[in-house]
Amino acid sequence: RKEVEQDPGPFNVPEGATVAFNCTYSNSASQSFFWYRQDCRKEPKLLMSVYSSGNEDGRFTAQLNRASQYISLLIRDSKLSDSATYLCVVKTGGGNKLTFGTGTQLKVEL
Amino acid sequence: EPEVTQTPSHQVTQMGQEVILRCVPISNHLYFYWYRQILGQKVEFLVSFYNNEISEKSEIFDDQFSVERPDGSNFTLKIRSTKLEDSAMYFCASSGFRDRAENEQFFGPGTRLTVL
Repeated sequence: RKEVEQDPGPFNVPEGATVAFNCTYSNSASQSFFWYRQDCRKEPKLLMSVYSSGNEDGRFTAQLNRASQYISLLIRDSKLSDSATYLCVVKTGGGNKLTFGTGTQLKVEL
Repeated sequence: EPEVTQTPSHQVTQMGQEVILRCVPISNHLYFYWYRQILGQKVEFLVSFYNNEISEKSEIFDDQFSVERPDGSNFTLKIRSTKLEDSAMYFCASSGFRDRAENEQFFGPGTRLTVL
């Protein structure tokens, strides 16, 4: 089983739509969870950390279910500029090593 | 805004040659990393470095790889004898503190390594 698993997509949605991405992780000892965004041929950039209580940052909402080892990202009122690959990222153990999923591609269209 | 920088942006080399990829982490950060991303695949951890020594490394980081912080600002990744399968985008990252869950790793723009 992959350490971090995501649906690769692509998700093609119209501008203004709400879209949700899911991610599962295999290591129950994982401690920290993140969503990163990666534009084509660019570096990953942190979108938001994910907390057990769920957290929101503007149009973005992240949820964590530790029992199911499941992380989600909800994007409301999607913009053309949201088109990118969204990476589910997990930190496990005492070190700072990040384990990335393969990413989910989002294309927002007019 | 402080940022991680990497040079060169693109490196082309012949199989068997040595390459050195260079990074300048964010100046007050304590932890430094190398990741790589083969085209079309996920980002993979290579190595983390703290207090002038490797703190963690992956299976990918074999004897052909080494890292160094030769001065107070640069952080380098050396591949001694490159193979075709080393062709990838190599990202340097840095972060400030170890024990904070919000400890964001900031990534550089990457060096695209092409091994011919």
